[in-house]
Amino acid sequence: QSVLTQPPSASGTPGQRVTISCSGSSSNIGSNTVNWYQQLPGTAPKLLIYSNNQRPSGVPDRFSGSKSGTSASLAISGLQSEDEADYYCAAWDDRMNGPLFGGGTKLTVL
Amino acid sequence: QLQLQESGPGLVKPSETLSLTCTVSGGSVSSRSYYWGWVRQPPGKGLEWIGLIYYSGSTYYNPSLKSRVSISVDTSKNQFSLNLSSVTAADTAVYYCARHDYGGNFDYFDYWGQGTLVSVSS
Repeated sequence: QSVLTQPPSASGTPGQRVTISCSGSSSNIGSNTVNWYQQLPGTAPKLLIYSNNQRPSGVPDRFSGSKSGTSASLAISGLQSEDEADYYCAAWDDRMNGPLFGGGTKLTVL
Repeated sequence: QLQLQESGPGLVKPSETLSLTCTVSGGSVSSRSYYWGWVRQPPGKGLEWIGLIYYSGSTYYNPSLKSRVSISVDTSKNQFSLNLSSVTAADTAVYYCARHDYGGNFDYFDYWGQGTLVSVSS
């Protein structure tokens, strides 16, 4: 079964830069683009980064994404208290023939 | 502005069928540019893709749920629906409907409904 692996938690202080990793395989990240979703407490997920490194309109440039091989990363610079949320990576999986989500990373702003 | 709204029973009995509808406003499910999908999230857990449907009725289902899932589209009502049969407590989750944009080598869910909690209990 295909899996996208994320660390369960991450943390940082205001103003810091944090990164969240997402590890996959050749059937997903290795051959398709990666998206990142932000889920604030009690709300629906929101598209944060698409096509590896593109920001939808309205997403601050403090958020950036990158991909290399079968892994991807989300970076948040100038960390703010309102960034405290769950973050999910996702990529189309060729074996499943559908979008696959990572397990999610809970970001805490200390 | 595109909006999606889930509706349906909040409580379903074990072994019965969970049925939800997503009503789309500010856009059309008949658009040839998008798929429409369902994603669920058990309490305190991560996101799980359930399935996708195109305006023509073409579908993709998560293999782990495929034997129990059916998604349909009603272009006249600008809605699409989810049926999940033989439910158990493990199907208790917040169910989201979402628009799925796709292209040559990209795909993502760009608009989401607010989600609806469905509990499976007798």
